[in-house]
Amino acid sequence: EVQLVESGGGLVKPGSSLKLSCVASGFTFSSYGMHWIRQAPKKGLEWIALIYYDSSNKYYADSVKGRFTISRDNSKNTLYLEMNSLRSEDTAMYYCAKSRGMRAPFDYWGQGVMVTVSS
Amino acid sequence: DIVLTQSPTTLSVTPGETVSLSCRASHSIGTNLHWYQQKTNESPRLLIKYASQSISGIPSRFSASGSGTDFTLNINNVEFDDVSSYFCQQTQSWPTFGAGTKLELK
Repeated sequence: EVQLVESGGGLVKPGSSLKLSCVASGFTFSSYGMHWIRQAPKKGLEWIALIYYDSSNKYYADSVKGRFTISRDNSKNTLYLEMNSLRSEDTAMYYCAKSRGMRAPFDYWGQGVMVTVSS
Repeated sequence: DIVLTQSPTTLSVTPGETVSLSCRASHSIGTNLHWYQQKTNESPRLLIKYASQSISGIPSRFSASGSGTDFTLNINNVEFDDVSSYFCQQTQSWPTFGAGTKLELK
């Protein structure tokens, strides 16, 4: 059974940093691209980052470019999102998800982790 | 960015009805359009991929069609368990999502 389990969220002040993790199981993690997607309270879904299966390419939404860094450790089946210079508008539920490629759907999602940025 | 416009925003239906949800893209996206179901306080679940391809484990009452800029998700014989928000997503370019259609029961 495919499982994606996020952790690392919490309440932080504007300007702070936070690092999210997503531990994968039930599939060959090193063969799949991985994404981070967020959803602000009562809002829609926003894709924010993609990392290729071998970390050779990383892509970001403009809203987080230069502040967030996606990475992965295939030996630990773990995906990361390092978030710096956090703003109130970064407050959201953050999900990790897997896909087979750039144009593939996100076939499994984690349960999400909440990040709240507030003074 | 490719903008996806979903309609209606909210849909109130009676169990047993058949409904259609619309998703319109600002540019042609071929069939790189996927549908997700999200129940309250849950993560999204993939319902349909590439505009019309079914997903293992998803009830057959969910079907979809379309290509280019106009897409439709159909739910036959709506059940109580279908109360959810439904999102479309395009992967023709950087992924974007529609704002969603919330399905409610009368």
